[in-house]
Amino acid sequence: AQKITQTQPGMFVQEKEAVTLDCTYDTSDQSYGLFWYKQPSSGEMIFLIYQGSYDEQNATEGRYSLNFQKARKSTNLVISASQLGDSAMYFCAMREDYTGGFKTIFGAGTRLFVKA
Amino acid sequence: DTGVSQDPRHKITKRGQNVTFRCDPISEHNRLYWYRQTLGQGPEFLTYFQNEAQLEKSRLLSDRFSAERPKGSFSTLEIQRTEQGDSAMYLCASSLGESRMKELFFGSGTQLSVL
Repeated sequence: AQKITQTQPGMFVQEKEAVTLDCTYDTSDQSYGLFWYKQPSSGEMIFLIYQGSYDEQNATEGRYSLNFQKARKSTNLVISASQLGDSAMYFCAMREDYTGGFKTIFGAGTRLFVKA
Repeated sequence: DTGVSQDPRHKITKRGQNVTFRCDPISEHNRLYWYRQTLGQGPEFLTYFQNEAQLEKSRLLSDRFSAERPKGSFSTLEIQRTEQGDSAMYLCASSLGESRMKELFFGSGTQLSVL
């Protein structure tokens, strides 16, 4: 069974500092995709960054980067230079192949609070 | 195109009533997903469509739930004989193509409250 684990229910970070949000996953597949989504208080899920299981380089997207450790099955999100607008829920997700297509499953999320 | 749209944004109903939600995906997206999200949790997969074909239903989806995508465009999710445990945010998402690289584009959701 697939599983995504986010062990940090809440995190605080000072504005302009960096923060790391943890995510581990469980899969027996060799080919899969890992995603992070942001959900602000407005409720809409916003795609942030993607890492493929075969990608050798850690993904980066502006202030977002991933610390992908395949052997440990972890994909931690690093947000650099935190801004007040980064305060939101962050979800780690995995999309993998199964009979009939692809399915994306989500972790329970981490709520990030950015302090001024 | 302005993205995935869902209607209504909020729905309050009495226990035992039927409700129907609508989702309009991004026009060129052939895949459409329904998720349910309760407070403080991540989205839980309910079902998905490739064009008009419903390819999978989660075990979370009881017989009271039904989803359709009749022409491969918009989709509806109906809940019959609603229960208080059905109270949640119902999210619709769409994506293009078959690649595992494809991210999901979400709507703003329908918040259901069953009294």
